[in-house]
Amino acid sequence: RKEVEQDPGPFNVPEGATVAFNCTYSNSASQSFFWYRQDCRKEPKLLMSVYSSGNEDGRFTAQLNRASQYISLLIRDSKLSDSATYLCVVNMDNYGQNFVFGPGTRLSVLP
Amino acid sequence: DAGITQSPRHKVTETGTPVTLRCHQTENHRYMYWYRQDPGHGLRLIHYSYGVKDTDKGEVSDGYSVSRSKTEDFLLTLESATSSQTSVYFCAISEPRTSTDTQYFGPGTRLTVL
Repeated sequence: RKEVEQDPGPFNVPEGATVAFNCTYSNSASQSFFWYRQDCRKEPKLLMSVYSSGNEDGRFTAQLNRASQYISLLIRDSKLSDSATYLCVVNMDNYGQNFVFGPGTRLSVLP
Repeated sequence: DAGITQSPRHKVTETGTPVTLRCHQTENHRYMYWYRQDPGHGLRLIHYSYGVKDTDKGEVSDGYSVSRSKTEDFLLTLESATSSQTSVYFCAISEPRTSTDTQYFGPGTRLTVL
């Protein structure tokens, strides 16, 4: 089993749609969780950290379920500019920096 | 944006030649990382550093070495490049003292080994 798994995608959605991505991780002791966005041929950029209570940033909502070892990202009112690959990242080390990346889920928002 | 630069940004080289990639940061972050990204594999950790002269291997370290003589610079060396090392290489930094132990990435180096 891979340490971090994501929906395989790709997701093709119309503008204005709501889309959700899922991610599961294998290490129950993992401490911190993130969603990154990566545009084609560019570096990954932090979209948002994921907190235990869930958090929202504008049209983006992240949820964490520690019991199920599951993270989600919800994008509401999709824009063309949301088209990118979304990476789920888990720091699996409580004291160090052991960041493990999921393979990514590609999103295309269509006009 | 975090102050991370990578050089060169693009390089074409021949099999068997040595190659050194440089990552430079202005954030004074303790941790620095080298990843490679290939289609179908996502980001894979090559080596990382947790301080000056302190480095450790990652998932795909064979054929690569690193050095960190200053906080701000982390060098990745391919002693004898092979075609399987054709990839996009990303440097990243992080600082565990901060409230969010987030990684920030450099712009990447696209390496082609012929």
